[in-house]
Amino acid sequence: QVQLVESGGGVVQPGTSRRLSCKASGFTFRTHAMHWVRQAPGKGLEWLAVISYDGEHKYYADAATGRFTISRDNSKNILYLQINSLRLEDTAVYSCAKTMTPAKKTFDLWGQGTLVTVSS
Amino acid sequence: QPALTQPASVSGSPGQSITISCTGSNSDVGGYDYVAWFQQYPGKAPKLMIYDVTERPSGVSSRFSASKSDNTASLTISGLQAEDEADYYCTSYTTSSTWVFGGGTKLTVL
Repeated sequence: QVQLVESGGGVVQPGTSRRLSCKASGFTFRTHAMHWVRQAPGKGLEWLAVISYDGEHKYYADAATGRFTISRDNSKNILYLQINSLRLEDTAVYSCAKTMTPAKKTFDLWGQGTLVTVSS
Repeated sequence: QPALTQPASVSGSPGQSITISCTGSNSDVGGYDYVAWFQQYPGKAPKLMIYDVTERPSGVSSRFSASKSDNTASLTISGLQAEDEADYYCTSYTTSSTWVFGGGTKLTVL
């Protein structure tokens, strides 16, 4: 079955960097655009970024522009999110999501997420 | 990008119908037929309930329906059941090729 498993979270200090991963299985990863979304504790969902199926096109939310980089390795079925200069307000569960089909823009299935806690 | 506007909470009794609104702008909700709704239980991953404004994914109850008028999308849940109690989020594609979420609506089944 379709599965998305995020990893790379943990407790990190402000100002440091972290790379999150999302391992995909059960579908043809290389044909689907992929998204990152986060949710701070007790808060709503915040869309962060999307990458095209081939990695050629990337779009970011204003809040993610500059410090966040989305990338993918289609040979390994892995999606990445690099976060630099981490801030306290970056504390959140970070989840990846796949588009419904290669032709659809909407994302449907999400992983369970990985928690990043920024704390000194 | 500012979030789409949703009511913070709505409530209804079992069997009743409720509607959750999601207001954006011409740059998002009003500009594209790419509005989706997600249901989220505490501690769980969101579940897609509606996509492309009105479409229901396979397996989603027909009690869930949605529509759009100008810059406002709406999710209606009919025949409210206790299991519908959850947070609901709308999201829309935007002119920047990005997506934006609403602030979320907590549905309470009385």
